[in-house]
Amino acid sequence: DAGITQSPRYKITETGRQVTLMCHQTWSHSYMFWYRQDLGHGLRLIYYSAAADITDKGEVPDGYVVSRSKTENFPLTLESATRSQTSVYFCASRPTNTGDQPQHFGDGTRLSIL
Amino acid sequence: AQSVTQPDIHITVSEGASLELRCNYSYGATPYLFWYVQSPGQGLQLLLKYFSGDTLVQGIKGFEAEFKRSQSSFNLRKPSVHWSDAAEYFCAVEGGSYIPTFGRGTSLIVHP
Repeated sequence: DAGITQSPRYKITETGRQVTLMCHQTWSHSYMFWYRQDLGHGLRLIYYSAAADITDKGEVPDGYVVSRSKTENFPLTLESATRSQTSVYFCASRPTNTGDQPQHFGDGTRLSIL
Repeated sequence: AQSVTQPDIHITVSEGASLELRCNYSYGATPYLFWYVQSPGQGLQLLLKYFSGDTLVQGIKGFEAEFKRSQSSFNLRKPSVHWSDAAEYFCAVEGGSYIPTFGRGTSLIVHP
């Protein structure tokens, strides 16, 4: 089915571990985004990508790494997880970055770091 | 720079009552404006968007929003709320950077 999928849906890990969250979209959208959602903060942009091999920082990039070797995939890696990175993570895509195009969101990954 | 404020963290309404969720934005020109809804355990779904033309826009699920330039507002309305409308609602603003900024969200509680 066409759409945007995130995996895993739930993840529990320990501080200091590396963890990768996956995002896959089937629309061939150029733009992809990673957000974290925390109570009282709404959605905050971590990283975004305009195309394969083009990425840029958002509002809260520290402690995260992204890559985009293929248009359809945009993994987010926490190289050494900290408790403050416990959150719900959302991936989104849009075909272009003109304002008349809304974003399409995945169902999120709930990440707990113990 | 662009910013958006949703003044109400929680809104409680009775089923069948009317609803208005507030959104105020800051941007130097006319921005792109969006309302999204998030049901528990799910991602955000677009309700409606505004970028030009008629200032009253219709969306899905019976929602509408009105862009008021003089008040820098884009409030979401529904004439009669259903229990299934209980969710988190996010307003988003997008200016020249073409990267949207989201509000902190308003949680809608619907009483039977």
